[in-house]
Amino acid sequence: ETGVTQTPRHLVMGMTNKKSLKCEQHLGHNAMYWYKQSAKKPLELMFVYNFKEQTENNSVPSRFSPECPNSSHLFLHLHTLQPEDSALYLCASSQEAAGETQYFGPGTRLLVL
Amino acid sequence: QKEVEQNSGPLSVPEGAIASLNCTYSDRGSQSFFWYRQYSGKSPELIMSIYSNGDKEDGRFTAQLNKASQYVSLLIRDSQPSDSATYLCALNPSSYKLIFGSGTRLLVRP
Repeated sequence: ETGVTQTPRHLVMGMTNKKSLKCEQHLGHNAMYWYKQSAKKPLELMFVYNFKEQTENNSVPSRFSPECPNSSHLFLHLHTLQPEDSALYLCASSQEAAGETQYFGPGTRLLVL
Repeated sequence: QKEVEQNSGPLSVPEGAIASLNCTYSDRGSQSFFWYRQYSGKSPELIMSIYSNGDKEDGRFTAQLNKASQYVSLLIRDSQPSDSATYLCALNPSSYKLIFGSGTRLLVRP
């Protein structure tokens, strides 16, 4: 098990549902990230938080809403998703958001029906 | 031109051979370079980081960086079937985020 945990590991939701993904890091890092990984596509950076402040929103649709209450926890709130949002959602953390080594959680496999 | 380019593969090598994985990048200001391994259905795990021109060795893995030619490579010696995975190149293009390549799939034949 890595120092970054994610729950749930698998999620199936309908397009009208509201759900949240949770990430927690136990590494004492100050930066946290959300990535989306679709089949046969590169990792897509979604959001960056550095010292609890959002420093990057990579043109992500508003149906994805991040929340970072402290440096150890990161949430991704989901509502009215589309089937094309089905993907592996990965959380990562690094000491600071300065291009340093990022450590990934196990991911949440999301299926939108 | 993509910021980070990798051949998607698969790269097929026999067990015990050297696997050579390559990555080219476009931003000359990139300072930090990383190789991650990702097994199917799993999350990426860090193999090595490299910051200076030249070679960096860690066990069976050697990372090579050439900033003038804008490429970074990963050599895996004595390849094992358990090395079969997708290898992601990542770099920091003068900003605070990492950019990932699409990965090269490696297949080590027993």
